[in-house]
Amino acid sequence: NAGVTQTPKFRILKIGQSMTLQCAQDMNHNYMYWYRQDPGMGLKLIYYSVGAGITDKGEVPNGYNVSRSTTEDFPLRLELAAPSQTSVYFCASSSFNRGFNYGYTFGSGTRLTVV
Amino acid sequence: DQQVKQNSPSLSVQEGRISILNCDYTNSMFDYFLWYKKYPAEGPTFLISISSIKDKNEDGRFTVFLNKSAKHLSLHIVPSQPGDSAVYFCAARLDDMRFGAGTRLTVKP
Repeated sequence: NAGVTQTPKFRILKIGQSMTLQCAQDMNHNYMYWYRQDPGMGLKLIYYSVGAGITDKGEVPNGYNVSRSTTEDFPLRLELAAPSQTSVYFCASSSFNRGFNYGYTFGSGTRLTVV
Repeated sequence: DQQVKQNSPSLSVQEGRISILNCDYTNSMFDYFLWYKKYPAEGPTFLISISSIKDKNEDGRFTVFLNKSAKHLSLHIVPSQPGDSAVYFCAARLDDMRFGAGTRLTVKP
């Protein structure tokens, strides 16, 4: 009963490097999301997906890319890492139906530091 | 544009007493409001929600109140327990979810 699994848990990147944050869910949820949380701030939506092959930008998409080739996986790609991308990244999924909201299931997060 | 605000970064209460966490919002189009709880090194977990057409929802020790005219919601925890110590996020849903910055609740034995 894994829920939402994020890897890695921690990563230090040098400026200009690239990496992919992995996210997988086993609940057959059609909606998946990537959020970032900066200190003292709420979670901000980076990208989301409403199903395989469909992705869209959230509030803070610059510097990131996503893909959704399967229902289960929703990787987040950072190209040319910058110190401003130092944050905790959370992946979430949901199967919400407008009219009855179950809330999101979150992964445990990836703490990324760009130096 | 912070549409969901939690103005108290921290709250400390005694075990057995009531904890009241507050949240204000600016967009009257939000249709659902939720509270999430987060322990260190874990992701947020869904706690309770309320539809915009209701003014109260209760689940065990947790009750959420919604005052639409004031654009304000609150989470009441009664009685508070040390295990409730966590960061609580308020969230509001339209097409996506908007989160407040969180309130750290400490329940002292």
